[in-house]
Amino acid sequence: SQTIHQWPATLVQPVGSPLSLECTVEGTSNPNLYWYRQAAGRGLQLLFYSVGIGQISSEVPQNLSASRPQDRQFILSSKKLLLSDSGFYLCAWNPGHSLSPLHFGNGTRLTVT
Amino acid sequence: AQTVTQSQPEMSVQEAETVTLSCTYDTSENNYYLFWYKQPPSRQMILVIRQEAYKQQNATENRFSVNFQKAAKSFSLKISDSQLGDTAMYFCAFMIMIYNQGGKLIFGQGTELSVKP
Repeated sequence: SQTIHQWPATLVQPVGSPLSLECTVEGTSNPNLYWYRQAAGRGLQLLFYSVGIGQISSEVPQNLSASRPQDRQFILSSKKLLLSDSGFYLCAWNPGHSLSPLHFGNGTRLTVT
Repeated sequence: AQTVTQSQPEMSVQEAETVTLSCTYDTSENNYYLFWYKQPPSRQMILVIRQEAYKQQNATENRFSVNFQKAAKSFSLKISDSQLGDTAMYFCAFMIMIYNQGGKLIFGQGTELSVKP
């Protein structure tokens, strides 16, 4: 069966420090991968999605970037964190070439101090 | 632009009663899917129900059912026999195809549902 792993679960970082959140999927190949951010317990905002290795689409211009170095690995990064980057970050996947539901990781709670 | 609107930020219902959560969306696409996700206090995103836009029959999943009105772009969720475990944030979302390679899921702002004993 397929599983998605996201880490760390919580992170407290000072303003101006770098960020790296990692997400991996097991049990499938060529998945679509997604990064979402949820602020203040409200709606999920799509940040990045990827349909293949090295293929990244950005939805919202901001301080963050994403990379997909391997088929089932998706990384969210920042060179210098801002206070406004605080939030709950969720990684998700679904099978490629499909309109099937997204399967979500457990999320990372990021607090920028 | 693709948008999803949930006009009820908070709702409450008595245990064992029925509640309906509203959702409207806006898209010019003809091929899309609709979903309701549940996010309990653990913050895990859980799929509740899905509806393919090309299907006229409303989807049903145990105590959960939808009222899909394609012309009105409306997609409400009905929860029957509400249980305490249904207390959660509920998100309406729709998915469109990205250049025939996969789906892009767009969420509403959520409705926080409290089931009271």
